[in-house]
Amino acid sequence: NAGVMQNPRHLVRRRGQEARLRCSPMKGHSHVYWYRQLPEEGLKFMVYLQKENIIDESGMPKERFSAEFPKEGPSILRIQQVVRGDSAAYFCASSPFAVGGADTQYFGPGTRLTVL
Amino acid sequence: QKEVEQDPGPLSVPEGAIVSLNCTYSNSAFQYFMWYRQYSRKGPELLMYTYSSGNKEDGRFTAQVDKSSKYISLFIRDSQPSDSATYLCAMIKAAGNKLTFGGGTRVLVKP
Repeated sequence: NAGVMQNPRHLVRRRGQEARLRCSPMKGHSHVYWYRQLPEEGLKFMVYLQKENIIDESGMPKERFSAEFPKEGPSILRIQQVVRGDSAAYFCASSPFAVGGADTQYFGPGTRLTVL
Repeated sequence: QKEVEQDPGPLSVPEGAIVSLNCTYSNSAFQYFMWYRQYSRKGPELLMYTYSSGNKEDGRFTAQVDKSSKYISLFIRDSQPSDSATYLCAMIKAAGNKLTFGGGTRVLVKP
């Protein structure tokens, strides 16, 4: 029973390039969340998606960041024109349903993005 | 002021001791509380999930919630070196979906 899968585990980009981070939720889970962990900081919520829908993107930076969760395939977090400040660990979590916060989120191993 | 405050540590204890961790929060809208363990360069692993005020026990772990004081705790009994990790408290508002995390407490259990 595979857990949440993320790839790549490590990603190195030069300033100005694009970064694409992938997340496959646990089997049977249809809700995906992305969090970012900056060095020496806690985990911060970015976006919550269901299949083909963005439910809450209140934590996403206004520019350069986008997320999708298509009907088929993994969820993608895309960062365009990366800057050094984007260097962080990006974690994906999934849950089977979301009813009033009673649900629990299970995290993947994360993608560590380094911007040179 | 952060919504969730957690002492960053590090907290160093001898093997076999009780580890005591806590978080305070400012927003009474938080209704569901979790504790995650995170090993270095790994993803957070869910340890405990609680809703109501009171105690919840699972093996060596006990979670406490005091909603009136906006204070939650995690106790680890008979600590082992393998418990050395960063412990994150997290909480969700009623009808909410996003976890709000504390900054994490780094714990070191010495053999």
